[in-house]
Amino acid sequence: AQSVTQLDSQVPVFEEAPVELRCNYSSSVSVYLFWYVQYPNQGLQLLLKYLSGSTLVKGINGFEAEFNKSQTSFHLRKPSVHISDTAEYFCAVSSGTYKYIFGTGTRLKVLA
Amino acid sequence: EAGVTQFPSHSVIEKGQTVTLRCDPISGHDNLYWYRRVMGKEIKFLLHFVKESKQDESGMPNNRFLAERTGGTYSTLKVQPAELEDSGVYFCASSQLANTGELFFGEGSRLTVL
Repeated sequence: AQSVTQLDSQVPVFEEAPVELRCNYSSSVSVYLFWYVQYPNQGLQLLLKYLSGSTLVKGINGFEAEFNKSQTSFHLRKPSVHISDTAEYFCAVSSGTYKYIFGTGTRLKVLA
Repeated sequence: EAGVTQFPSHSVIEKGQTVTLRCDPISGHDNLYWYRRVMGKEIKFLLHFVKESKQDESGMPNNRFLAERTGGTYSTLKVQPAELEDSGVYFCASSQLANTGELFFGEGSRLTVL
């Protein structure tokens, strides 16, 4: 069975500081990995995805994530955050089907 | 191009009542999914349609939940009778491909059962 762990339920960070949102997964098969973001009063939006190839994946809004197979991690990073990045971020894993397994989400709060 | 739309955005009902949630997928997307997030927990898969056919409903909690997609266009998810534990946000998503492709999510329908 697959699972996703987002250890940090909330992450406060000051504007223009770097941030890393952690995601670890468990799976016995090859996986595809995703980060989604939910801004207040909006739906889930895909930030980036790893399907194959380069382990460093770049997404929208300056975010990037690195797939680390040995550590079974897919941490999300941004070198300098803005107030507008305040949102909830979800890591998800799939074994190639539509059944995404989501983590519990991390609320990023960017402080002025 | 219109995204996935869901209605209502928020519904408050009493225990024992019925609620119907609607989802309009992106035009041309044969695959439609329902997911649910109970307060503070992970988003969980409920079921998957390909056109009008249910491909997988293994995530449906119990027989109080009924999903339909007549004509292969919009879908409805009915909860009858609603229980307190049904409260949460119900997300609909659609995609062109059923594997590896990106799921496009709607804004969700928040259901509160009192």
